Amino acid sequence: NAGVTQTPKFQVLKTGQSMTLQCAQDMNHNSMYWYRQDPGMGLRLIYYSASEGTTDKGEVPNGYNVSRLNKREFSLRLESAAPSQTSVYFCASTVGLHNEQFFGPGTRLTVL
Amino acid sequence: GNSVTQMEGPVTLSEEAFLTINCTYTATGYPSLFWYVQYPGEGLQLLLKATKADDKGSNKGFEATYRKETTSFHLEKGSVQVSDSAVYFCALLMNTGFQKLVFGTGTRLLVSP
Repeated sequence: NAGVTQTPKFQVLKTGQSMTLQCAQDMNHNSMYWYRQDPGMGLRLIYYSASEGTTDKGEVPNGYNVSRLNKREFSLRLESAAPSQTSVYFCASTVGLHNEQFFGPGTRLTVL
Repeated sequence: GNSVTQMEGPVTLSEEAFLTINCTYTATGYPSLFWYVQYPGEGLQLLLKATKADDKGSNKGFEATYRKETTSFHLEKGSVQVSDSAVYFCALLMNTGFQKLVFGTGTRLLVSP
């Protein structure tokens, strides 16, 4: 099992460009999450999907959209990138009642 | 709201020293508590967890005890190694409604030979 995979690993964008971060899990998990990690701020939840077909906003959803394409895949889209979106983005998935989350390796995004 | 407070780092230790990283939480109710570890350039990995008061989570020589009376979940290890150098995150999860993890800001541990 690959666990949680993310693509790309690194990306540099110019202000105003768009891109989609991809995430997939092969553990048959129901719930998936997108976080951003910034220095001194820990992880902040952007969006989550409790189950296939549903998505909800987290703490910091502005400037992002998500798609739960199927049970395996959960993508994060930046429609018009801004320098404030420079961050490391992590995808995670969970299965059980106590919500042990499994994380992907992250995407390091720089917006110039 | 629910929150987690961790000691600020970095914590700098010599190999074989004793480690404590403090974590306290605020929650309405009785959450599950977690410690995650992030090695350089990697995602977060679950290190240990405790789901109710007085539970002790342990893994790889690390331990933490869920203390309801002090709302704490301090991480300890008796003898750290250079390979333990990483960032450690304390987190809580409420067990009602849809479950979302609440993370602390992380504590960087640096272990020198």
